[in-house]
Amino acid sequence: QQQVKQSPQSLIVQKGGISIINCAYENTAFDYFPWYQQFPGKGPALLIAIRPDVSEKKEGRFTISFNKSAKQFSLHIMDSQPGDSATYFCAASISTSGYALNFGKGTSLLVTP
Amino acid sequence: GAVVSQHPSWVICKSGTSVKIECRSLDFQATTMFWYRQFPKQSLMLMATSNEGSKATYEQGVEKDKFLINHASLTLSTLTVTSAHPEDSSFYICSAITIGVGVFGEGSRLTVL
Repeated sequence: QQQVKQSPQSLIVQKGGISIINCAYENTAFDYFPWYQQFPGKGPALLIAIRPDVSEKKEGRFTISFNKSAKQFSLHIMDSQPGDSATYFCAASISTSGYALNFGKGTSLLVTP
Repeated sequence: GAVVSQHPSWVICKSGTSVKIECRSLDFQATTMFWYRQFPKQSLMLMATSNEGSKATYEQGVEKDKFLINHASLTLSTLTVTSAHPEDSSFYICSAITIGVGVFGEGSRLTVL
């Protein structure tokens, strides 16, 4: 049972464009929402994360927008670059349960030159 | 930054044999580590939570006797796939939590012939 729903499954963006990936969850006990980037054959690497007490967090070209009432959060990649081409996973966890992550299905991003 | 190391990165074994995968937190201690499994082009699925000094907690549907987890120290957790079969071929990834952030290893690709 997928506790975190992610869309789109794949995304093609031109260099310099904005990549937007969306996630939704149902379990209101989730209190930690990270985004991971994964390259083929590698483990996921943390990009950015947010907690429900803020609506937006920005780190460099990456921004998370969080809508607690709608139970949705999204990742925006500004000025997308070919090197950003990877699979992105949103996730959610409950801090009091040890942070075991529930992952979305992933979005394969391709940034064209 | 915090690093989690997995070994081996690749392993090929014959059907019926057992394979051990190690997960080490290199510069921090982790009382809890997590083991995930990822099939090609799919998301990460939590298999079990590894607790230092106590029994692992397995997710529903994961066979405890097939996937043996040992967390003997604060920096090492091992996953042993016993009597491996071709359907156990997958990418196994561990993670450890430090200051509320999930740090993932590079993954171990198991191929069972």
